[in-house]
Amino acid sequence: KQEVTQIPAALSVPEGENLVLNCSFTDSAIYNLQWFRQDPGKGLTSLLLIQSSQREQTSGRLNASLDKSSGRSTLYIAASQPGDSATYLCAPEGGKLIFGQGTELSVKP
Amino acid sequence: DAGITQSPRHKVTETGTPVTLRCHQTENHRYMYWYRQDPGHGLRLIHYSYGVKDTDKGEVSDGYSVSRSKTEDFLLTLESATSSQTSVYFCAISESARGGNTEAFFGQGTRLTVV
Repeated sequence: KQEVTQIPAALSVPEGENLVLNCSFTDSAIYNLQWFRQDPGKGLTSLLLIQSSQREQTSGRLNASLDKSSGRSTLYIAASQPGDSATYLCAPEGGKLIFGQGTELSVKP
Repeated sequence: DAGITQSPRHKVTETGTPVTLRCHQTENHRYMYWYRQDPGHGLRLIHYSYGVKDTDKGEVSDGYSVSRSKTEDFLLTLESATSSQTSVYFCAISESARGGNTEAFFGQGTRLTVV
């Protein structure tokens, strides 16, 4: 059974900081891993998808890495902005998407 | 935005009544999922479908059933709603669950309250 852990559970940073969100998973037999963002009261928005054969994926100020063998992924956010405030969720996919509980990020102006 | 519509968006129902939530997609994606989201538990998979009439259980399937008679529709039924099923329900779709560039897309959610 896949179990996903995200650390930290919550994070508060001043605007402009670079930050790293961590995701670990127990079953390395995955096809890909996806990072999502969720704003309060809203659905999930896909940010990045890393295929199992890839090590990194970048979109703008976001960079996600994947180390499948060790069961880890990180999401790096450069030059954080107040608009980045949201909950970030990772979901490894090995036939079905299983989620961690997310990291709640607050970026202060 | 991916074409996913959940209905209803909000519902209040009484304990013991049957409830059906609908997820409709216009993307012709093969996979469809139902999740529930609760404080302290994150998103948990209820059921998923990998094709018409092909469904399987997720982590928290007790008390729920699903049906998929058409590619575009995935129905979640609570046969006899209980207060523990008060939650926000999300539908998701993906083209495949076997790798490749198979992003999953989510609906806006259905807030269900069982009183």
